[in-house]
Amino acid sequence: GNSVTQMEGPVTLSEEAFLTINCTYTATGYPSLFWYVQYPGEGLQLLLKATKADDKGSNKGFEATYRKETTSFHLEKGSVQVSDSAVYFCARRNTGRRALTFGSGTRLQVQP
Amino acid sequence: DAMVIQNPRYQVTQFGKPVTLSCSQTLNHNVMYWYQQKSSQAPKLLFHYYDKDFNNEADTPDNFQSRRPNTSFCFLDIRSPGLGDAAMYLCATTQARGLGSVDEKLFFGSGTQLSVL
Repeated sequence: GNSVTQMEGPVTLSEEAFLTINCTYTATGYPSLFWYVQYPGEGLQLLLKATKADDKGSNKGFEATYRKETTSFHLEKGSVQVSDSAVYFCARRNTGRRALTFGSGTRLQVQP
Repeated sequence: DAMVIQNPRYQVTQFGKPVTLSCSQTLNHNVMYWYQQKSSQAPKLLFHYYDKDFNNEADTPDNFQSRRPNTSFCFLDIRSPGLGDAAMYLCATTQARGLGSVDEKLFFGSGTQLSVL
């Protein structure tokens, strides 16, 4: 099927630590891949995206590279801040489909 | 300013009592989605509208219905809520660019948390 698997949270880090949140997808078709972020009390919002293999999406210091060989799209940030505390969702969209399939989300807690 | 607005933020209903959740958008997008998200699970697509064209997911229960009277509004009707329908319901919009392809960005509302007593 067209699924997305994320590492379970919560992930708890100290400020300025390095962040990795793992995401893998089933190798069905040639999906576009996304990371969405949900801050407390707010709706999900697009963080970054990559539409083909080897593309790197980046935004606000976050990066993720579309790795077809490992079917992965891991989210990374070199130095997290308290304000990055949120739930992060990995998602995919297959060509020709209008809807996204989401992973279950990973909660990130950054402590000062 | 909020562009996708869901009301109410919290909704409590009784077992078997019909309930309607609402979503409105100021973006004039032609696609609107309803997702169901249970605690610690992935948001699950229930259905979406492409303009007035209703698209149901194969595994969405018949208990869930939707209406889109105009571009701006979309409603989720749960005819006979069960305890298993308690969840966060998320509305999202995007713009289709023809031939069914969509912009890559979805805009989400803050969600309605439904409790069933």
